Amino acid sequence: GQNIDQPTEMTATEGAIVQINCTYQTSGFNGLFWYQQHAGEAPTFLSYNVLDGLEEKGRFSSFLSRSKGYSYLLLKELQMKDSASYLCAVRDAGAGSYQLTFGKGTKLSVIP
Amino acid sequence: KAGVTQTPRYLIKTRGQQVTLSCSPISGHRSVSWYQQTPGQGLQFLFEYFSETQRNKGNFPGRFSGRQFSNSRSEMNVSTLELGDSALYLCASSLRTVTDEQFFGPGTRLTVL
Repeated sequence: GQNIDQPTEMTATEGAIVQINCTYQTSGFNGLFWYQQHAGEAPTFLSYNVLDGLEEKGRFSSFLSRSKGYSYLLLKELQMKDSASYLCAVRDAGAGSYQLTFGKGTKLSVIP
Repeated sequence: KAGVTQTPRYLIKTRGQQVTLSCSPISGHRSVSWYQQTPGQGLQFLFEYFSETQRNKGNFPGRFSGRQFSNSRSEMNVSTLELGDSALYLCASSLRTVTDEQFFGPGTRLTVL
């Protein structure tokens, strides 16, 4: 099975930088995704990491360390519209099949 | 290009009934995955279909089933509904596998009374 942990809630100030951590335990790691979900809406894809290191995409960056079972999503120059839940999801290739397991999400509130 | 569509958007059922939800993926996408989202458990994987075959399955009871048609449209069925089945059911499509970027539909909000 898998265990994915991320903080339940975070608060940050507009214009600041925030880092959302995700730790995981899996038998057959095969990639990690970050999704953004605004209240009442469907999740939207933010990033995908399968190799160690940092992936940068505009104001958002995602980091992965496979040896530590750890990832983070970094949001720079925070805007009010970044208030949303951020979901970490791990692909597990164990038992000969692929499955995407999501963490319970981190609710980020951006305040003025 | 049209996004993933799900019907109906809202549904109210009573315990013991059964329900069928529908999902139309993005044109050209052959993989369709279903998820259940609740405040307590978050997003949980139900199953994935590809080329009309169930390719992956999560840890849900047999009351939850699905199928995929030749045009990649998918349906999910829940029989003998329980109060705990109240949730947002999300469908996601991707080109080939669950690990390609998934595009989610708006979901069906199911309430079981």
